[in-house]
Amino acid sequence: DAKTTQPPSMDCAEGRAANLPCNHSTISGNEYVYWYRQIHSQGPQYIIHGLKNNETNEMASLIITEDRKSSTLILPHATLRDTAVYYCIVRVASGSARQLTFGSGTQLTVLP
Amino acid sequence: DVKVTQSSRYLVKRTGEKVFLECVQDMDHENMFWYRQDPGLGLRLIYFSYDVKMKEKGDIPEGYSVSREKKERFSLILESASTNQTSMYLCASSLSGRVTEAFFGQGTRLTVV
Repeated sequence: DAKTTQPPSMDCAEGRAANLPCNHSTISGNEYVYWYRQIHSQGPQYIIHGLKNNETNEMASLIITEDRKSSTLILPHATLRDTAVYYCIVRVASGSARQLTFGSGTQLTVLP
Repeated sequence: DVKVTQSSRYLVKRTGEKVFLECVQDMDHENMFWYRQDPGLGLRLIYFSYDVKMKEKGDIPEGYSVSREKKERFSLILESASTNQTSMYLCASSLSGRVTEAFFGQGTRLTVV
């Protein structure tokens, strides 16, 4: 699985867009980009994933660069409840359950 | 909404006790997983199951066993609890072939004293 690099922490004002970057320069052609988040003392929550096209769902948007070496998760109108650790994971869609590692992620703090 | 429910949020057990952690999912998912999460070590896979009565060891199976008698239920068993098994335990489920789109339970924080 490709290695990812995320900033350790970010702040965002409530109501503004939160843009969380992830670098994955060694991504392979068949690897997807997945995003999860984990609110304190809860289990991780799947957010969104994509291969090369931008994706949007009710929670967030995922923008993947044309060379696929980096991506950005966008929370369009951040709320206090979006404060969490956000994890970017790159792996094949049908990969084994082994080594579904989450890394250290980005601690997003939404400020009132 | 997919729901993965773990039987307890907090548990305190004594060293040597046999501990059962239960997990139930309501979305007819084939795959179910047990992880533990410790500060600085991230999420580590203990066991997973691709189908009823099927199980495979993850990265850290020692000291644990599992049971999957029904599709919706996956139990983690600590045969003889030890203090180094104090951790946050997370259950997850997913559709077959979509391991990375997993849905997690709220976690069980187990303390072994």
